[in-house]
Amino acid sequence: EMQLVESGGGLVQPGGSLRLSCSASGFTFSDYAMHWVRQTPGKGLEYISGISRDESGSYYANSVKPRFTISRDNSRNTLFLEMRSLRREDTAVYFCVKDQNGYLVRGAWGFDSWGPGTQVSVSS
Amino acid sequence: EIVLTQSPATLSLSPGAPATLSCRASQSLGNSLAWYQHKPGQAPSLLINAASDRATGVPARFSGSGSGTHFTLTISSLEPQDFAVYYCQQRTNWPPSFGQGTKLEI
Repeated sequence: EMQLVESGGGLVQPGGSLRLSCSASGFTFSDYAMHWVRQTPGKGLEYISGISRDESGSYYANSVKPRFTISRDNSRNTLFLEMRSLRREDTAVYFCVKDQNGYLVRGAWGFDSWGPGTQVSVSS
Repeated sequence: EIVLTQSPATLSLSPGAPATLSCRASQSLGNSLAWYQHKPGQAPSLLINAASDRATGVPARFSGSGSGTHFTLTISSLEPQDFAVYYCQQRTNWPPSFGQGTKLEI
């Protein structure tokens, strides 16, 4: 069974930093692109970043560029999201998400595995 | 960026009733639309790929239809565990984007 588990969320002051991790199991992690999606009460689900299976490509939404950095360690089956210069509007639940393809490409398929999410709260 | 509009925002139904959820796109998606179910505190789960293909393990009471700019998720007979929030999502254009969700409540 595919499983994703996020960690690293918490309460941070505006301007601060956090590093989210996502541990993957139940599938060959290095075969698939991975993504981060966040959920806020006001804006619903927002796609914020993705990375290809071999780190040859990555994408960032304008709302997080250049403050966030996505990376992965295929030897440890782990996805990361480094978040800097955090703002109050970054407060959200952050989901780690698995693609059904290895690269950041358009297509008709959805994301077939999600983690339960980790809460990030930015407040003074 | 493609905008997805879901309706209604909230749908109040009883177990056993059918449910029809709508998702409209600001431009044509072909068949590049997915549907998800999300229960509070849980991971969202993929229901439908490519507008009408049920994902692995999804019960047959869930079906998707549509193409272009108008899509529908139908639940033929609601079970108690089906009451959740449902999202549509496109990846015709990058970045992928989501509708705002339909809350299906008892």
